[in-house]
Amino acid sequence: ETGVTQSPTHLIKTRGQQVTLRCSSQSGHNTVSWYQQALGQGPQFIFQYYREEENGRGNFPPRFSGLQFPNYSSELNVNALELDDSALYLCASSLATRNTEAFFGQGTRLTVV
Amino acid sequence: AQSVAQPEDQVNVAEGNPLTVKCTYSVSGNPYLFWYVQYPNRGLQFLLKYITGDNLVKGSYGFEAEFNKSQTSFHLKKPSALVSDSALYFCAVRPFEGGYQKVTFGTGTKLQVIP
Repeated sequence: ETGVTQSPTHLIKTRGQQVTLRCSSQSGHNTVSWYQQALGQGPQFIFQYYREEENGRGNFPPRFSGLQFPNYSSELNVNALELDDSALYLCASSLATRNTEAFFGQGTRLTVV
Repeated sequence: AQSVAQPEDQVNVAEGNPLTVKCTYSVSGNPYLFWYVQYPNRGLQFLLKYITGDNLVKGSYGFEAEFNKSQTSFHLKKPSALVSDSALYFCAVRPFEGGYQKVTFGTGTKLQVIP
């Protein structure tokens, strides 16, 4: 196990609703990234947080937003849910140095109906 | 823009035989390269990485990968496959430069080790 924990593990929401996913980083890691993994696909980078600020974003609309807290835990918020938002959402924590790998949580499976 | 290609959706290999999972990449400048493994309904587990130095990188569970700059490839290998190696494998790249950890993943290769 990596020490990165995500909650909840599964979630079912209705189209148009809002959802918040949570992530606790591995101890000592100050950077958190979020990924969306659709069924049968590789993870797609959503954004990254460092020192409580977003410092990188992938090709996702503004209704995907996040927060990082002083203890380096993080939230992913998605507004106005669409059916295509159904996916496994992965949180990854790392150190803010270039040659380090990211460690992933087990993911939250979001189903939008 | 950076990209990763994993040309095989699935690789089948007999237990005890060597395995290779292919990966090619495209990135501006020098790359950081990674392999991750994913078991059903689980997150990704780090296997190994290439940063600089030796082109042959050794990682967890007996896996290794060979970096080939001229062919822009980073193939994952193991001398003797185990049934427990059956899983989904992802190759990933991020550029050497850049202030954040945007990692681009391939679409994954399902490895099936046949007893």
